[in-house]
Amino acid sequence: SQQGEEDPQALSIQEGENATMNCSYKTSINNLQWYRQNSGRGLVHLILIRSNEREKHSGRLRVTLDTSKKSSSLLITASRAADTASYFCATDFAIGADGLTFGKGTHLIIQP
Amino acid sequence: DGGITQSPKYLFRKEGQNVTLSCEQNLNHDAMYWYRQDPGQGLRLIYYSQIVNDFQKGDIAEGYSVSREKKESFPLTVTSAQKNPTAFYLCASRRYNTEAFFGQGTRLTVV
Repeated sequence: SQQGEEDPQALSIQEGENATMNCSYKTSINNLQWYRQNSGRGLVHLILIRSNEREKHSGRLRVTLDTSKKSSSLLITASRAADTASYFCATDFAIGADGLTFGKGTHLIIQP
Repeated sequence: DGGITQSPKYLFRKEGQNVTLSCEQNLNHDAMYWYRQDPGQGLRLIYYSQIVNDFQKGDIAEGYSVSREKKESFPLTVTSAQKNPTAFYLCASRRYNTEAFFGQGTRLTVV
């Protein structure tokens, strides 16, 4: 099935820096969602952006969506050690079966 | 508190055994999902259900079975036909076209 693909697969930055992760997908979507997963735990929803939206903010998170390029980005500003986790994008397709389709994720490490 | 609960947290299966993973939600969500996650990988959809007494196969349904007799419950059985069942299993629920809520996962190991 179609999957979102995150880039990079891994990212290591210093605390206080900004972290940017990208997601590309292949077919039309209703919405795109970003999730966070701490090691060995379930996923936690961060932001949902609908296909008619271009940018959305939540605290230190900023998500953009470019439907013409079929891509999205997640920016975490002023990173903290507690932001260390894996981040996944999930696409909710406009046509076809229900169910969010996940990429393989970006593993983010924040160095103190 | 409202939420989604998976049990057990850890499960060990002997070769040739069937095992059942539990998933319960009290969020009044119609849709429920089972995903499998292998180390360093994303989530792959096993089965999903949009309504009671109905469910659909996902991308990797072979060797798995589900039931949806109640809105709150969506148990997953890993059968002996699943040759490589060792993985982290995640259950989720949601309303249509909204975010998903995940359980804390069940880690299944074949011994």
